[in-house]
Amino acid sequence: NAGVTQTPKFQVLKTGQSMTLQCAQDMNHEYMSWYRQDPGMGLRLIHYSVGAGITDQGEVPNGYNVSRSTTEDFPLRLLSAAPSQTSVYFCASSWDRTQPQHFGDGTRLSIL
Amino acid sequence: AQKVTQAQTEISVVEKEDVTLDCVYETRDTTYYLFWYKQPPSGELVFLIRRNSFDEQNEISGRYSWNFQKSTSSFNFTITASQVVDSAVYFCALSGNNAGNMLTFGGGTRLMVKP
Repeated sequence: NAGVTQTPKFQVLKTGQSMTLQCAQDMNHEYMSWYRQDPGMGLRLIHYSVGAGITDQGEVPNGYNVSRSTTEDFPLRLLSAAPSQTSVYFCASSWDRTQPQHFGDGTRLSIL
Repeated sequence: AQKVTQAQTEISVVEKEDVTLDCVYETRDTTYYLFWYKQPPSGELVFLIRRNSFDEQNEISGRYSWNFQKSTSSFNFTITASQVVDSAVYFCALSGNNAGNMLTFGGGTRLMVKP
């Protein structure tokens, strides 16, 4: 049982490059979300989805794009990477808001 | 808007001491859920406890205990007889009725337990 799988674990990009962070879960959870973790600021919600075909913005959505074509996958796209997007990114899933979210192991992203 | 505040950014204790991590939250929702997560040095996020807004009973799990008080909007976490393995960053989080009910996190408290 893999849970929530994020790839890659580490990535270095140059300013202006684009890339996609992958997230997949095998628990058939409807709710999925992306957070970024910056020192002293906890985790902040970027985008979320409450089911296939449904996405919405969180607290810090600018510069990111998401889609949810299947229940299992929820990729996060950086459209044009900026140094301010250097962070650790976590994907999470859950049955609904009453249940604990299961987190992936994170992707450490550096933008030069 | 909802908010979670963890005023203690870092706490350092000696092994076997008791330590309490504070969490204060703000929300206008009448139904909400509170969570604690642990992030050890390896970086993953580990779920510890969930509490809904209608259940103010305190909970104990081994050396861990949680004190939920709606009157002061607090959900504090106590570790009794701390151990080196408790060294981690601990996050308090809130799920309300906004933003798809996703989590709003506090800034985290880094706990260092010295032998």
